[in-house]
Amino acid sequence: KAGVTQTPRYLIKTRGQQVTLSCSPISGHRSVSWYQQTPGQGLQFLFEYFSETQRNKGNFPGRFSGRQFSNSRSEMNVSTLELGDSALYLCASSVRPNNLAAEQYFGPGTRLTVT
Amino acid sequence: SQQGEEDPQALSIQEGENATMNCSYKTSINNLQWYRQNSGRGLVHLILIRSNEREKHSGRLRVTLDTSKKSSSLLITASRAADTASYFCATVNYGGSQGNLIFGKGTKLSVKP
Repeated sequence: KAGVTQTPRYLIKTRGQQVTLSCSPISGHRSVSWYQQTPGQGLQFLFEYFSETQRNKGNFPGRFSGRQFSNSRSEMNVSTLELGDSALYLCASSVRPNNLAAEQYFGPGTRLTVT
Repeated sequence: SQQGEEDPQALSIQEGENATMNCSYKTSINNLQWYRQNSGRGLVHLILIRSNEREKHSGRLRVTLDTSKKSSSLLITASRAADTASYFCATVNYGGSQGNLIFGKGTKLSVKP
């Protein structure tokens, strides 16, 4: 099976712009979670989607949003970018919702740089 | 917010030596998982230990869990240069967090050939 794929792998944006990141889960996986990784805050949970519904959300401002499509692919959007949004954004998929699943499989990440 | 703290933050050893990393966490858990990350890339799942288990092995990896002390350790035996990476523990509390992983800040392991 192909692993979790994320596009694009690298992205440079300017403050105030918006960005959309994409994640394709492993075939058959219906849960997609997003995490942000920065040197200062480490790995932090953004949100989880299962069957096109957001099930759980981390402590991030409303500028961070996401959605999931019927084929389980997910996108996350960050509006009005700030310098502090520069990070590695990781997507993880699992077969069941996180509260029923044992293991999440991570993609390679999208490195976002905001200038 | 971070759940756990890994210790040490950085570890440098020679090939063939054993590497031990520790993780402490704050709240009750259902399971604890260890992940490896190579140079800012995605995370690779290494091993999961459930709250009712004390020790688990997988190849050269040995994980222990002490729920009374809220701590876990990851031992990599006979390390190789390819083990150079950052290692993270992540806890899961299905009741409180609905299953999302809560990560520690990681231990950066460097294995010198």
